[in-house]
Amino acid sequence: DIVVTQSPDSLAVSLGERATINCKSSRSVFYSSNNKNYLAWYQQKPGHPPKLLIYWASARESGVPDRFSGSGSGTDFTLTISSLQAEDVAIYYCQQYFSSPLTFGGGTKVEIK
Amino acid sequence: EVQLVESGGGLVQPGGSLRLSCAASGFTFSSSWMHWVRQVPGKGLVWISRINTDGTATKYADSVQGRFTISRDNAKNTLYLQMNSLGAEDTAVYECVRGSFYEEDVFDIWGQGTMVTVSS
Repeated sequence: DIVVTQSPDSLAVSLGERATINCKSSRSVFYSSNNKNYLAWYQQKPGHPPKLLIYWASARESGVPDRFSGSGSGTDFTLTISSLQAEDVAIYYCQQYFSSPLTFGGGTKVEIK
Repeated sequence: EVQLVESGGGLVQPGGSLRLSCAASGFTFSSSWMHWVRQVPGKGLVWISRINTDGTATKYADSVQGRFTISRDNAKNTLYLQMNSLGAEDTAVYECVRGSFYEEDVFDIWGQGTMVTVSS
């Protein structure tokens, strides 16, 4: 199984500042035949199911604000919120879909400082 | 409105069985790969199972293989999860999830979930 590890577990950022979340997979999730990284990011607010933000490591889902961006390749990935807004308070999860079983990181809780 | 609504959760004794249902609306269910994901309240997300569009191909996490069965009825726009030999470790919120059209293992629509509690 591919193990996905997120860091930090939590972070507090001032409104308008940048938030950076890291995700590391135990094996590469890059598929050379199509040049894609099989990694997605989700946002989960309290009392709600997760919401898809990013797929293919850097493709933004329709309707997701452009302050959210994904980067990285192979085993190391980053989700960046360029200017934190109050509505971004949530837990963020990364997920690999390179191989079964599909696996998630443990989550990163983002709060306002 | 695109929607997934789960039902069938509840309290069950260890060793018991439960059948979850997920009613889909607002999209072409028969064209969508579907999944079940579970989440212990306050904890992380765990993928449980996947089924292809016509129900002929399924996959399971090792933790439920042989105990859980995923199925679908495209005529009724409904996804199912039959859960047998339940243990305390199966206590969680179970969420029905749609695989996206650009990649079936990316989850673009989630239900609100149904709580399953295994306890005597």
